[in-house]
Amino acid sequence: EVQLVQSGAEVKKPGESLKISCKGSGYSFTSYWIGWVRQMPGKGLEWMGIIYPGDSDTRYSPSFQGQVTISADKSISTAYLQWSSLKASDTAMYYCARRRGGDCYDYWGQGTLVTVSS
Amino acid sequence: QSVLTQPPSVSAAPGQKVTISCSGSSSNIGNNYVSWYQQLPGTAPKLLIYENNKRPSGIPDRFSGSKSGTSATLGITGLQTGDEADYYCGTWDSSLSAWVFGTGTKVTVL
Repeated sequence: EVQLVQSGAEVKKPGESLKISCKGSGYSFTSYWIGWVRQMPGKGLEWMGIIYPGDSDTRYSPSFQGQVTISADKSISTAYLQWSSLKASDTAMYYCARRRGGDCYDYWGQGTLVTVSS
Repeated sequence: QSVLTQPPSVSAAPGQKVTISCSGSSSNIGNNYVSWYQQLPGTAPKLLIYENNKRPSGIPDRFSGSKSGTSATLGITGLQTGDEADYYCGTWDSSLSAWVFGTGTKVTVL
């Protein structure tokens, strides 16, 4: 069974750093792209970027380029999303999702809620 | 602001049909596959339709997708209370070099 399991909720202060994770299982982790999606409170889905764990090829949405870093450790089948200096506006639910052929996202993590507040 | 436009909400009585439109351009819908996602309250999105009109295993045939030119449509027949959710279209945008989601549509079962 394909699963993407994300790390737990985080509460941080502005200016702090953060790295959240997404662990894949039940499939060949290095053979599928993993994307990250933001959902701010009460808002829609926003695509942030994507990584191919096989060679760490990474693409970013222009809206998120320079704001976050996407990485992966294929040895432990885990993708990451990190911030070096959080802002209150980073408060959101973050989802990882597997990209399959036909360019769609077929399996999703359960989401990681990030709250940034002083 | 998303480049894919959906109606904010649609509604119908149980058993009826609703359609949700997704309007884009030649840089996205016009030249790429469209997929659709259902997000039930408090849960992660779920793939409903891929490659414009295909259903993943386990998705009932009450859900259908179509595409014409720079627009796509999701149809839901035999509406059930369990279908109350937000629905998003998505596709690759070649001009932005980014995946884009639609603005989202809330389906209400009256």
